[in-house]
Parts: sequence; structure tokens; C-alpha cells
Amino acid sequence: GAVVSQHPSWVICKSGTSVKIECRSLDFQATTMFWYRQFPKQSLMLMATSNEGSKATYEQGVEKDKFLINHASLTLSTLTVTSAHPEDSSFYICSAPEGWREDYTDTQYFGPGTRLTVL
Amino acid sequence: AQTVTQSQPEMSVQEAETVTLSCTYDTSESDYYLFWYKQPPSRQMILVIRQEAYKQQNATENRFSVNFQKAAKSFSLKISDSQLGDAAMYFCAYRGSIYNQGGKLIFGQGTELSVKP
Repeated sequence: GAVVSQHPSWVICKSGTSVKIECRSLDFQATTMFWYRQFPKQSLMLMATSNEGSKATYEQGVEKDKFLINHASLTLSTLTVTSAHPEDSSFYICSAPEGWREDYTDTQYFGPGTRLTVL
Repeated sequence: AQTVTQSQPEMSVQEAETVTLSCTYDTSESDYYLFWYKQPPSRQMILVIRQEAYKQQNATENRFSVNFQKAAKSFSLKISDSQLGDAAMYFCAYRGSIYNQGGKLIFGQGTELSVKP
């Protein structure tokens, strides 16, 4: 199956700094990517939909100025957590559908996630 | 808005036995897809099984099968011959029309499955 990578897998930063997380589709093109946030023992909460060549679509309650998303190419989306604070500490996961087929089926592939710890 | 509910936070099964995880959802759409994902301790999300709403036949993948009741909006996962490697968090997920919802997945709260040797 297709592979989605994330980098870094783990990052620790000081409060007030910005952190960039990369999501790459390694062997397929993804015009759309999704960013999720997951707290321990909880479900995945969709933060935003990243669209290549256009602005990201944010879910209600997600601060777009704090979580900047850039879909730079058909294989790369980045999430930048600006002015990070301890409450931003979480596990961030991206996913990308391999492609919409004629029958609208698709397989979404998930990255391995990035653990962010803000001190 | 669509919602997905998993009412069993934790489940336990004896190795080689069968276990069923429950999932209900709410939607006004007629065309949609339902998924079960597994998240082991590594936290890598793994697709277990997928069901297209327009298909009446229940999906199966080896030891995994679903009981899809469209009218009741129920989508349960049955794991047969449970193995130690099945221990993980299981998430039920809904995906609506790519035109209306953009293809995003809506997840349930998750069920943590433990397998006893």
C-alpha cells in the first residue's frame, strides 16, 4: 500500500517558539491531506483539510492563525504550530487519500504521527 | 452533522475467542462509507475493514467481519479467533460524500481491546 511519512516523529520545544511538522505522500500524489490531533486515550479530532494550491479548510474551533497549514506540492503538506504553549502538547497525525476513483472509494493512508511536547 | 458513537470504552477477549465491537452513527446522507481502524501502541493507524453503504453484503477481511445495519445505523466489528496482536484501540469512522464533506473521516471515541492469553 501507499506510504505517508511525517517528520519529525517527536519534537520538544520551549513555550513561545514555533514548530513545523511535515507530512509527505511518498509514492502517490495527494491533492488533499488531513491533519488530526489526538490526546492520550482519546479519539482523533480533525483540525483541518489541506488543499494543494488553495487555502486550508479549518474545523470549527481551530485557530487558523495558530495552526498554519501549507500544501506546498502534491506530496507535501506542513503544519506549523505558532507560538506553541504547553496546552498544544499532543499527538498530531496526517492522512492522505490515495485518490478518488470513479466509484468514489478511496483508501486513506495515515502518517505515523508526531508527538509534540511544549515545555 | 454526522456523528459516530462507540459505547464501549474497553473490551476484553480471551485468545482464540470471538469479540464484537459496537458502533452507531447518525447521518442524513444516503451514500457514505464506514471504516474500522486499528491503532496499536505504536499509534500507527491501520485500516481493518471498509463498508460501502450502498452494498447490502457485509464486508469481511479474513478474521474480521462487520454487521452493517443501515436502517438502524449500526456498524459492528466482529473479530474471530482473537490473537494477541489484535490488542489495540479500535476506531469506527464515517466518511460522507466527497462533494459535501471533502472526504474527511469522522471518528468514534474508540474501544480499547485487550486480549488475554
